[in-house]
Amino acid sequence: DIQMTQSPASLSASLGETVSIECLASEGISNDLAWYQQKSGKSPQLLIYAASRLQDGVPSRFSGSGSGTRYSLKISGMQPEDEADYFCQQSYKYTFGSGTKLEIK
Amino acid sequence: QVQLTESGPGLVHPSETLSLTCTVSGFSLTGYSVYWVRQPSGKGLEWMGRMRYNGDTSYNSALKSRLSISRDTSKNQVFLKMNSLQTDDTGTYYCTRERRVSGVMDAWGQGASVTVSS
Repeated sequence: DIQMTQSPASLSASLGETVSIECLASEGISNDLAWYQQKSGKSPQLLIYAASRLQDGVPSRFSGSGSGTRYSLKISGMQPEDEADYFCQQSYKYTFGSGTKLEIK
Repeated sequence: QVQLTESGPGLVHPSETLSLTCTVSGFSLTGYSVYWVRQPSGKGLEWMGRMRYNGDTSYNSALKSRLSISRDTSKNQVFLKMNSLQTDDTGTYYCTRERRVSGVMDAWGQGASVTVSS
């Protein structure tokens, strides 16, 4: 099975700061990588699919990149509403990363 | 408007069977696949299984022996049954829609909270 290692487990950022979260796959996953945001008490919501494609309605400050085994989610300019948990998902075999808790500093 | 709504008992006793229903609207079960994903309280997400648009099913190998997913297209419903529940099966259970044929989940239900306790 493909394992997804997500880092960091938690981080705090100031408003306006740029934030990056990484996912490392145990083998190459050919950009089959999605990112989800889960706000407290809510269901996860799709942000990014195919490693870098922005889901409709998602603010452009969110971006995804990567290839092979390494992928990242970037938030360019932290906003209060971005405080949430973030999960990567390998979309070929559905495995999720362990999550990153992003808080405002 | 795409909507998925999970329903089922909030409390299940150990060793009993969990039965959940996902009722969908805004799309057809013969056009889109539906997944089940669960989340223990305060923890991460685990893919459980899939009802494909053509009626095929697939399951997480760790749960396969206990899990069954079925559907009734006339009622726009997908069903999950999992037997031999234990306390570590406690959590929130989501049904989700697959974005085209991609393995990506572009719509989620609000989740059904399930507690396994005697």
